[in-house]
Amino acid sequence: NAGVTQTPKFQVLKTGQSMTLQCAQDMNHNSMYWYRQDPGMGLRLIYYSASEGTTDKGEVPNGYNVSRLNKREFSLRLESAAPSQTSVYFCASSVGGEDTEAFFGQGTRLTVV
Amino acid sequence: KNEVEQSPQNLTAQEGEFITINCSYSVGISALHWLQQHPGGGIVSLFMLSSGKKKHGRLIATINIQEKHSSLHITASHPRDSAVYICAVRSWGSQGNLIFGKGTKLSVKP
Repeated sequence: NAGVTQTPKFQVLKTGQSMTLQCAQDMNHNSMYWYRQDPGMGLRLIYYSASEGTTDKGEVPNGYNVSRLNKREFSLRLESAAPSQTSVYFCASSVGGEDTEAFFGQGTRLTVV
Repeated sequence: KNEVEQSPQNLTAQEGEFITINCSYSVGISALHWLQQHPGGGIVSLFMLSSGKKKHGRLIATINIQEKHSSLHITASHPRDSAVYICAVRSWGSQGNLIFGKGTKLSVKP
């Protein structure tokens, strides 16, 4: 059982380049999330999808777009990368609702130079 | 003020010691999560609790809803417990979104 799978694990981009971070879960979860983790800060929510076909902004959505391709997959796109987007990105999923456990991917370490 | 505060930020212990990590929050919650993050690794859920106490092996998590406080205890600590421990809360009406503390970095020396 793979759980939540993120690709790639590492990426270096030049300022202005674009890329898409992929996330897939095999637990039939309704809700999926993208977070970023920066030194000295807690994880912060970028975007989330409460169910297939819906997406909503989180705390730090600027510079990002998302697509909930189907129930399994939730991708995060950086259209024009900036050094401020250097971070570790985590995808997570849960059944959904107020009282459900969250499952996290292994993270993507992104550096924008 | 952060909605989720953890203490201490850093903790060094000798193998075998009893460890306590604290989490205080300021919002009404439906559940509190304790997570573990190893260096260079992903994030693993340890506990989800909304009342009382849960135990898994050497780990114990407690929550006091009235005081808005939770503790994570590790008994007989071991170097393999070295990791960052993160407290996160799911507030009411948040559509399941989590609010995270900054984490507590634990180092257990042999």
